[in-house]
Amino acid sequence: QVQLVESGGGVVQPGRSLRLSCIASGFTFNSNGMHWVRQAPGKGLEWVAVISYDGNYKYYADSVKGRFTISRDNSKNTLYLQMNSLRPEDSAVYYCARDYFPRLLRFGFDYWGQGTLVTVSS
Amino acid sequence: NFMLTQPHSVSESPGKTVTISCTPSSGSIASNYVQWFQQRPGSAPTTVIYEDTQRPSGVPDRFSGSIDTSSNSASLTISGLKTEDEAYYYCQSYNNDIYVVFGGGTKLTVL
Repeated sequence: QVQLVESGGGVVQPGRSLRLSCIASGFTFNSNGMHWVRQAPGKGLEWVAVISYDGNYKYYADSVKGRFTISRDNSKNTLYLQMNSLRPEDSAVYYCARDYFPRLLRFGFDYWGQGTLVTVSS
Repeated sequence: NFMLTQPHSVSESPGKTVTISCTPSSGSIASNYVQWFQQRPGSAPTTVIYEDTQRPSGVPDRFSGSIDTSSNSASLTISGLKTEDEAYYYCQSYNNDIYVVFGGGTKLTVL
């Protein structure tokens, strides 16, 4: 069965960096685009970024553009989110999610990880 | 900015049917596919509907999605309500400018 397991969250000071990882299993990782979605405490879902199945295309939400970088290592079945210049408003649970259509980006999700909590605070 | 509007909350009794709407701020609802996600308290979201009407494997057929071009809205209908259906439900679609957009979420209470 499809499994997505995030890691790398924690408490970090404003302005610092953090890298999140998402290890995938149960499917052919290099066939699907992958997303990061976040949820601030008590708030709704906010899309962060997406990467195509081959890593050639990347798109970001305006709120993170220029600060966050999405990447993937298909040999390791792993998705990453490098977060730089972190702000208190970046505090959230970060989920990785699979784009539901193989090869093409449909900008929709079928499987989600359990999330990893990032807290940006001094 | 493009938005998807959902009712803040809905409630219904066990065994009944409830419908949650999702309306775009501009454009046609039929232009891009709509997805629906369930999120129980303290848990990650799960997908209950993708591509407007499709159910992922394992999602009961009590859950159905539809598009109504006359009202320009998408809907999630849950029939035969169970207490375990109590959760937040989010719609989601695509927009050329901001890519992925979520509705604000609807809290379903089954009482």
